Amino acid sequence: EVQLLESGGGLVQPGGSLRVSCAASGFTFGSYSMFWFRQTPGKGLEWVSTIDTTGYNTYYADSVKGRFTTSRDNSKNTFYVQMDSLRAEDTAVYYCAKGGTTWYYFDYWGQGTLVTVSS
Amino acid sequence: QSALTQPASVSGSPGQSITISCIGTNSDVGNYNLVSWYQHHPGKAPKLMIYEVSKRPSGVSNRFSGSKSGNTASLTISGLQAADEADYYCCSHGGPTTPWVFGGGTKVTVL
Repeated sequence: EVQLLESGGGLVQPGGSLRVSCAASGFTFGSYSMFWFRQTPGKGLEWVSTIDTTGYNTYYADSVKGRFTTSRDNSKNTFYVQMDSLRAEDTAVYYCAKGGTTWYYFDYWGQGTLVTVSS
Repeated sequence: QSALTQPASVSGSPGQSITISCIGTNSDVGNYNLVSWYQHHPGKAPKLMIYEVSKRPSGVSNRFSGSKSGNTASLTISGLQAADEADYYCCSHGGPTTPWVFGGGTKVTVL
C-alpha cells in the first residue's frame, strides 16, 4: 500500500524557516518524480515544486522560487521542502504527492501538514 | 484567482448524475490531453479520480468519467452517492512556464 506522510509543519514567524518532510512507502521511491502542493485557507490547490527521480532537477512555482528548496534522499525514501524567508501568504496546508507514470498527474497524496506563518 | 475555472458548487440527489466543468484556455486544457481530477474530503489525502482527460485509475468507480471539448474539461459522476460529497479539483498541464495549473475546486453536495 502506497503511503505518504508529511511532517514538520508548525508555526513560524515571518522571515523564518521551516523544513517539511515527506516519508514514502509502498513503492519504488527512486523511480518517481515527487511533488509539493499547498492549499491556502478557503482556497484551492497550488503546485509548489517538483523534484525528479535523481534529485538533480527541481522546479518551482514563481511564488516560492528563490525561497523554497526541494531535495530528496532516495536511500531514506524521503523528500523535503526547505522553506526560507517565509511570508504570511505561505500559510497553507502542504501536501506531498507521487507522480504517476508521467509527471502530469499525481496518483497518491499525503494528508497534509499545516504551516502557519504569523508573528 | 485560479488558472482554471470551476463552479463553486454543484449538487444533486442520490442516484442522479452531475457534471463539473473546468474551463481553461488554448494554452492549457485546450492544448494538452493532460487533464486530471482529484477528489478531496477535507482533512484527508486528495485522491486521483481521472487522468489524461478520461482514464480511470484502478480502483476508482466507473461512475466517474471524464471528457474534454475545446478548452473545457468535464467530470461526470453518475449514480450519485453520499460518499461522493467532497471537493473536486481539476488540473491541467499549462505548458513550460506553468507546468501544473489547478481549478479553484467544486464542492459537491448530495441532497
